Order: sequence, then C-alpha cells, then structure tokens
Amino acid sequence: QKEVEQDPGPLSVPEGAIVSLNCTYSNSAFQYFMWYRQYSRKGPELLMYTYSSGNKEDGRFTAQVDKSSKYISLFIRDSQPSDSATYLCAMKLGIQGAQKLVFGQGTRLTINP
Amino acid sequence: GAVVSQHPSRVICKSGTSVKIECRSLDFQATTMFWYRQFPKQSLMLMATSNEGSKATYEQGVEKDKFLINHASLTLSTLTVTSAHPEDSSFYICSARSPQGTQPQHFGDGTRLSIL
Repeated sequence: QKEVEQDPGPLSVPEGAIVSLNCTYSNSAFQYFMWYRQYSRKGPELLMYTYSSGNKEDGRFTAQVDKSSKYISLFIRDSQPSDSATYLCAMKLGIQGAQKLVFGQGTRLTINP
Repeated sequence: GAVVSQHPSRVICKSGTSVKIECRSLDFQATTMFWYRQFPKQSLMLMATSNEGSKATYEQGVEKDKFLINHASLTLSTLTVTSAHPEDSSFYICSARSPQGTQPQHFGDGTRLSIL
C-alpha cells in the first residue's frame, strides 16, 4: 500500500464548476499537508499549506484536512481553464521528523471552456 | 515570483556526456535542498537530500556515483549526471526550504534532460 493515495484521473469538468480533489494517507504521523499545482513541463507551484486538521481558504481554493479519517481535500470554486494542470498532494512529518515530502501520484485536471 | 531558480531548463546531449544542473534559492538561505526525478505522467520521486557543507543523502536505489550532488553554499546546490545514457533522460526538479522547520518546500521549474 502506498503511503499517499491519489486518483490520477484524468478529471474533466466545465468552466465554472466546483472541483474536488482528494488524497488519503496511511501514516497518522503526518502533520503538514500541501497542495501543489504543476503545469506541463514546469515545476510544482505551492498552492496551499496546512498544519493538522481543519480548513484553510485562499481565494477560490479551500484545503481541508481530516486527520481522523486520514483524508485531505482541495476544492476549487468557479474553476477556470487556466486551472487546468496536474494537482499533487504532499505531506510530511512534524518538524522533528523527516524533512522529505511524500507525494501523491497527482490528478490531471482539465477545465473545459 | 520564483523563489527557487533552476538552470538550465532544457539539455540535449550525446550519450556519455556529463551534465550539470544548478539549483539556487533566490531570497532565502537553504541549508537543505532536494533533488527529484519525474517521469511522464508520474509523480515526483525523491533522489537525494542535499545538505550544505556535508554529503548528500541518497534514496534507496539511486546511484551516488552516477548522480553527484554538491551543496557548496547556502544558496546553491548542483546535480551532475555523470556519463549520461538515454535511460537517464527525464525531468529533474530541485526544491529548497528555508531553515525554519515549519516552512514548505518551493520548487524550481525543472530541467528536461534528453540523452541521444
């Protein structure tokens, strides 16, 4: 079993739709959770960074972490064609733990005009 | 704006050539940088962790003599792919994190390496 599971998609939705992207994980020691957006032939760009459980909102993006269920989500409201990219979830242990990130496989998202 | 700069963005060279890729943190000092490899439509695979002033830590299965890492300053790490072969063709991405333990990693734009 992979430490972090993410549906690779592809996911295709019409412009303006609400998009829900999800990851599950097996290691309950993860404390920091991130969502990165990666355009083709580019490096990942940090979108959201959260610590522990709860919600965090930034513009059209909302990140949710449910540690009891080992489940994280990214919601995109009013989706735009420019949101078309691969979205990667990532997580890591606490400050005193390993520094390296553990990534999901990434979900390819296409927003159709 | 970008906080991590990676150079070059694209390399095409003949088999047997050694290729050096640079990763720079632009507005912070990074005691630790990370090197990843990404195959098409796949996620990032950590190759090694680069520590300023000490030897890099390589992930299992990554050849140390093949992928030489040097982290000589707090803002620069280099990855050298020695005697590259077609199977080394891939997208190589670096990341850096500020020394504050709570901060996330920021990634460079990657280097697409093609070995003919």
